Amino acid sequence: GAVVSQHPSWVICKSGTSVKIECRSLDFQATTMFWYRQFPKQSLMLMATSNEGSKATYEQGVEKDKFLINHASLTLSTLTVTSAHPEDSSFYICSATGLAGGPSFFGPGTRLTVL
Amino acid sequence: GNSVTQMEGPVTLSEEAFLTINCTYTATGYPSLFWYVQYPGEGLQLLLKATKADDKGSNKGFEATYRKETTSFHLEKGSVQVSDSAVYFCALTLSSNTGKLIFGQGTTLQVKP
Repeated sequence: GAVVSQHPSWVICKSGTSVKIECRSLDFQATTMFWYRQFPKQSLMLMATSNEGSKATYEQGVEKDKFLINHASLTLSTLTVTSAHPEDSSFYICSATGLAGGPSFFGPGTRLTVL
Repeated sequence: GNSVTQMEGPVTLSEEAFLTINCTYTATGYPSLFWYVQYPGEGLQLLLKATKADDKGSNKGFEATYRKETTSFHLEKGSVQVSDSAVYFCALTLSSNTGKLIFGQGTTLQVKP
């Protein structure tokens, strides 16, 4: 199947700093990318949907000014956690879809720890 | 609202045992249903799916049947292997874009030799 990578795989930062997480589709063009958040022993919660070249659509309750999403190319989407706080510590997972209605491929996730 | 509920884990089985992981859903409309598997250190992979009532998805010996009357999509395998040890997620989508998913909380399966 298609490969989606995330970078970094884990990051530790100080409270108040911003962290950028990259999601790349390595062997296909991703018209749509999704960002999920997973708390320990809980399910993945969809945060936002991003389409290449347009603004992301955020799910209810997700602060768009805190979680900045950019999908500038068909192979790269970035999630920036601005002014991170300990409660933002979580596992962030992206997925990418090529054609509308096609399967979605998941990245391995990024573990964010905010001290 | 729309939601997915899975049986709590971990589920621990001996090799060659029969596996059932229960999944029920609540949805407005007619969802497509999925099972994803996450092996240690890897991303989620689609295991199987069903797009309408009475469809049976199958892959790698795993099966699940879309039961509209019981709003269920239970995962089964007749004989598990140690290599099946992973976290299994049941999910649904009501979107034509199958990437927009609502997940259950995941069930950890441990298979012992």
